Amino acid sequence: DAGITQSPRHKVTETGTPVTLRCHQTENHRYMYWYRQDPGHGLRLIHYSYGVKDTDKGEVSDGYSVSRSKTEDFLLTLESATSSQTSVYFCAISPVYQETQYFGPGTRLLVL
Amino acid sequence: AQTVTQSQPEMSVQEAETVTLSCTYDTSESDYYLFWYKQPPSRQMILVIRQEAYKQQNATENRFSVNFQKAAKSFSLKISDSQLGDAAMYFCAYRSAYETSGSRLTFGEGTQLTVNP
Repeated sequence: DAGITQSPRHKVTETGTPVTLRCHQTENHRYMYWYRQDPGHGLRLIHYSYGVKDTDKGEVSDGYSVSRSKTEDFLLTLESATSSQTSVYFCAISPVYQETQYFGPGTRLLVL
Repeated sequence: AQTVTQSQPEMSVQEAETVTLSCTYDTSESDYYLFWYKQPPSRQMILVIRQEAYKQQNATENRFSVNFQKAAKSFSLKISDSQLGDAAMYFCAYRSAYETSGSRLTFGEGTQLTVNP
């Protein structure tokens, strides 16, 4: 257990509404990541962070923004949700000097 | 860019038997890490095993072992003495050893493993 929680765990929203997903970790790891999981694609990186206020884009970042104002929290925001953003979202952390990423429990998001 | 391919969308095995899941990857890098993650119905992503490319010895974790063929860019997972709890989606993943600020993972599409009693 890497001490990672995600909230909410499930969410249903409507097209065009903003949505924020939260990832919280308890062990002050420097690196945090947001992935989305879709059938046939495995997990794909949306954004990642390498420190407070230090973030960068992944391969599927369009329509998403992130913020990290505290070490323990990494927020993913869908500015205006679309049906194509219906997915399962995973947060992950990576301890410094370790190559392994550990994942949170995931958030299932349905955009109607 | 690196790619990871899992050519078997579904596999099945009898309880107590052995099964091998395939993974191939494409990269121009010489140093990297490879992983197998397990995702049971609970959706939790669980690390099964990892391999460092510069180590020739294949990694082993209890009933799980890998066959790492660097020249062939192949990284298969062998599960021995399969148990009902091994039923899950299995993902192969690649991570470059050269990224200092990202260490992002590139995943394959997954293989759904069914274990029959």
